[in-house]
Amino acid sequence: DIQMTQSPSSLSASVGDRVTITCRASQSVSNYLNWYQRIPGKAPKLLIYAASSLQSGVPSRFSGSGSGTDFTLTISSLQPEDFAGYYCQETYTVPFTFGPGTTVDVK
Amino acid sequence: EVQLVESGGGLVQPGGSLRLSCAASGFTVSSNYMNWVRQAPGKGLEWVSVIYTGGSTFYADSVKGRFTISRDNSKNTLYLQMNSVRAEDTAVYYCARQYGGGDGFDIWGQGTMVTVSS
Repeated sequence: DIQMTQSPSSLSASVGDRVTITCRASQSVSNYLNWYQRIPGKAPKLLIYAASSLQSGVPSRFSGSGSGTDFTLTISSLQPEDFAGYYCQETYTVPFTFGPGTTVDVK
Repeated sequence: EVQLVESGGGLVQPGGSLRLSCAASGFTVSSNYMNWVRQAPGKGLEWVSVIYTGGSTFYADSVKGRFTISRDNSKNTLYLQMNSVRAEDTAVYYCARQYGGGDGFDIWGQGTMVTVSS
């Protein structure tokens, strides 16, 4: 099975900050890498698919990059509604493993 | 409107069974890859199972042999039959649409809570 890691596990930031989260796969997943936002009490929301494609309706301040084993999610200017959990996930092969998550909270 | 609505969660004793349902509207379940994902209290997201358009099914090792994913095309509904449940199966269970192979999960249900306890 492919193992997914994320760093950092949590970070504190302020509105307007640029935030970068890293995801690493234990073997190549090509570009089959997705990013989700998780707000407590709500269903996960797909932000980025295929490593760098912005899901419809997602603000352009979110962007993704990478291929193979190393990926990043960037929020260019953090907004109040962006304080949440973020998860990467590979859909290259089953099991479709999620990363352990990164919590973005208020500094 | 495209949406998924789960039901069937609740309290079940260890070793018992439960069937979760996920009713789809606005799209056809059988034309998409359909998944179950869970989140235990205080834990991260865990992929559970997928059923492909052709009917092939796959499971996480943690549920293999105990859980069964299926769909009823006439009802446009996805199911998860949970047998021999354990305390560690306690979680919110989500169904999610995966538009195609390799794609992300773009539509999620609201989740249904399963609690395994005596």
